[in-house]
Amino acid sequence: SAVISQKPSRDICQRGTSLTIQCQVDSQVTMMFWYRQQPGQSLTLIATANQGSEATYESGFVIDKFPISRPNLTFSTLTVSNMSPEDSSIYLCSVCPILAGDTDTQYFGPGTRLTVL
Amino acid sequence: QKEVEQNSGPLSVPEGAIASLNCTYSDRGSQSFFWYRQYSGKSPELIMSIYSNGDKEDGRFTAQLNKASQYVSLLIRDSQPSDSATYLCAVKGPNNDMRFGAGTRLTVKP
Repeated sequence: SAVISQKPSRDICQRGTSLTIQCQVDSQVTMMFWYRQQPGQSLTLIATANQGSEATYESGFVIDKFPISRPNLTFSTLTVSNMSPEDSSIYLCSVCPILAGDTDTQYFGPGTRLTVL
Repeated sequence: QKEVEQNSGPLSVPEGAIASLNCTYSDRGSQSFFWYRQYSGKSPELIMSIYSNGDKEDGRFTAQLNKASQYVSLLIRDSQPSDSATYLCAVKGPNNDMRFGAGTRLTVKP
């Protein structure tokens, strides 16, 4: 499977500020996704990061709040804008690697734990 | 109706027993199904994928799929305390995204 890293691993931010989270993969991947996992909850898909075009957002998530970039096949960023305490969560990047017979499976990065005060 | 439903648990089994985790899904056209394990404070890690009706075994883990009943399960044989975690059922959506259940918290008692 692909090796996925996220930066930062955790951060504490003030209300009203923005944080950009980076996701880096050690090999080219077909799909990259961003999820949110609020305390004690399961994973909720925020958006699919599309290489070279605008991300595809799920219902309830908008580009102004969660701008996403994906400049190439190994890197993506998620920005959490104008943060409020309700944005405190773990943000996870996941990828579908380009592997024979395994293009369906998603692998997750280690996550970014965000606390907004 | 939620897209992917799991018994939230918690499920507690003694060491050495079989743990049975269940999941149902709503989209009859779904073709790809996954079980992830998530330890507290960690990200989900893939245990198994299953695409065809029937059983798929990998070590102590067996995934079972019944598309007619829209049902997926995971059996863990000879459960160990290290298996204590939250188990997430996931179903691949039409846009290659994953739809996750709420997770079942499993505790294996020594």
